[in-house]
Amino acid sequence: AQSVTQLDSHVSVSEGTPVLLRCNYSSSYSPSLFWYVQHPNKGLQLLLKYTSAATLVKGINGFEAEFKKSETSFHLTKPSAHMSDAAEYFCVVTGSGNTGKLIFGQGTTLQVKP
Amino acid sequence: NAGVTQTPKFRILKIGQSMTLQCTQDMNHNYMYWYRQDPGMGLKLIYYSVGAGITDKGEVPNGYNVSRSTTEDFPLRLELAAPSQTSVYFCASSGLGAPPLYEQYFGPGTRLTVT
Repeated sequence: AQSVTQLDSHVSVSEGTPVLLRCNYSSSYSPSLFWYVQHPNKGLQLLLKYTSAATLVKGINGFEAEFKKSETSFHLTKPSAHMSDAAEYFCVVTGSGNTGKLIFGQGTTLQVKP
Repeated sequence: NAGVTQTPKFRILKIGQSMTLQCTQDMNHNYMYWYRQDPGMGLKLIYYSVGAGITDKGEVPNGYNVSRSTTEDFPLRLELAAPSQTSVYFCASSGLGAPPLYEQYFGPGTRLTVT
């Protein structure tokens, strides 16, 4: 069965410093992986997706993630945090079957301090 | 394009009441989904639909029902509301394409409290 583990429930960084949000996955086949962001009281927005093309994926707002099959990881990074990056981040893997179902991690809250 | 719209934005229900959460998308997407998000948790799939007239259960379907009579609409029905159904509900849709490439587009959510 497919599953996702986000290794940190809360990450705090200072503005201008790098961001690292960690995600490990488990899948019985080659999955697609996503990172979604949720700002307070808002819906979810896609940051980036991996779909078996390049292993280094670039997304919106300067975020990127690297798919490492040997480590079953898909960590999200950004070189320099902005205050506007403060939000909840979800690592997501496709479920089984051809229905487009998604399996969500529990989320990581990113706090950005001035 | 409005994308995915949900109504209402907020609702308070008494235990045992029923209600329908509305979801509409204008992107001609075949696939639609209902999720719930409990505090501090990721989203869990309640029901999904792969096209008009076709629905199936997700991870947490108990206490809910859905229908899909048109491509655009995917209402979620709560019968006999219980406090355990207090949550934020998100509707999402995705388009055709070779799976698993789907990107899901999310509505703004409905915040439901059952007291």
